[in-house]
Amino acid sequence: EDQVTQSPEALRLQEGESSSLNCSYTVSGLRGLFWYRQDPGKGPEFLFTLYSAGEEKEKERLKATLTKKESFLHITAPKPEDSATYLCAVQNYGGATNKLIFGTGTLLAVQP
Amino acid sequence: DTGVSQDPRHKITKRGQNVTFRCDPISEHNRLYWYRQTLGQGPEFLTYFQNEAQLEKSRLLSDRFSAERPKGSFSTLEIQRTEQGDSAMYLCASSTRRSSYNEQFFGPGTRLTVL
Repeated sequence: EDQVTQSPEALRLQEGESSSLNCSYTVSGLRGLFWYRQDPGKGPEFLFTLYSAGEEKEKERLKATLTKKESFLHITAPKPEDSATYLCAVQNYGGATNKLIFGTGTLLAVQP
Repeated sequence: DTGVSQDPRHKITKRGQNVTFRCDPISEHNRLYWYRQTLGQGPEFLTYFQNEAQLEKSRLLSDRFSAERPKGSFSTLEIQRTEQGDSAMYLCASSTRRSSYNEQFFGPGTRLTVL
């Protein structure tokens, strides 16, 4: 069964303190791995899609990387506005849909 | 591109009542998804439409749930005889095959509270 596990569940950083979030996955055939950001009471906001091991994507202070078993979301010199829940999701090649299978997320709090 | 919209944003109902939610996807997005999210969890897939055809339903979608997308544009999700366990955020997302990133765009969600 396809599964996504995110760690840590929660992370508190000081402004400027870089860190990484982990997403471990098991999937029968990876079509894509997705990172989303979710603010309280809102829908997830798309950040990145990664397709193959070794791939990297960057956006402002965020950089996502992918291996055959896990993905990392690196946050460099975070600011308080980066505080949110970060969700990881996978798509597999099986079935008739492109449904996303999500992890439970990492709640990031960046203190000034 | 006005984004995915959902209505209502909040719904409070009593146990046993029926509720209906609406989702308007991004125009020209032929793929539409419904997810459910409870506190502290990631979204869970409920059902998928390609144009007007419902191609997959999750085991989470009991007989009390029904979804439609009559003309391949907007979609509705109805819950009959609501139960307290139905309390959750219901999220709609849309996508298109033409996107190179294959991403799904989510709406703001409908927060359902069953008393």
